[in-house]
Amino acid sequence: ELQLLQSGGGLEQPGGSLRLSCVGSGFTYYSYAMAWVRQAPGKGLEWVAAISGNGESRNYADSVKGRFTISRDNSKNTVYLEMNNLRAEDTALYYCARGMPSRLYYCEVWGQGTLVSVSS
Amino acid sequence: DIQLTQSPSFLSASIGDRVTITCRASQGISIELAWFQQKPGKAPNLLIYAASRLQSGVPSRFSGSGSGTEFTLTISSLQPEDFATYYCQQIKSFPLTFGGGTEVEIK
Repeated sequence: ELQLLQSGGGLEQPGGSLRLSCVGSGFTYYSYAMAWVRQAPGKGLEWVAAISGNGESRNYADSVKGRFTISRDNSKNTVYLEMNNLRAEDTALYYCARGMPSRLYYCEVWGQGTLVSVSS
Repeated sequence: DIQLTQSPSFLSASIGDRVTITCRASQGISIELAWFQQKPGKAPNLLIYAASRLQSGVPSRFSGSGSGTEFTLTISSLQPEDFATYYCQQIKSFPLTFGGGTEVEIK
């Protein structure tokens, strides 16, 4: 079964760090780009970052550039989002998503979401 | 960065209505646009990719059109399960961006 299972997240203080993980199953992981998208409480969707299948290409939203790092370990079918210097405005539900085979960055499959709360 | 403006931000419609949502891009994005449906407490669901291609498993009452800077999502006959929030997203250039969303409510 095609699935993305997310873990990590939780409550962290401003300036702190968290790491999110997203494990994929049911598909050839290294063939697909992966992305992170977040949604602040009661707000719309915000694209955060994306990484190519081989990990060589990484792109970020301006709001997280320099603070967040997306990476992947294809041997573990896992993509990560390392979040440093967290701010209150990073509080959101974070989704990982898989791209499409031929249109790399269209988000075709989504994880269940994991909540990140940044507060003192 | 490419800005996407959706309109309306909210609409009230009845079962069986034809519904159209518009997404305008601040610069040309060819056909590199997706439409998503999101229901409360759920992850988004891809409906349309490349502006007009129906994702597998999505009912044919959903359709997309447009290119360049203006795009539309049409629901030909609104069904009870279609009440949700809809988002467009451009995939033309990084950073990828979403529109602000359109909430579709039962009249």
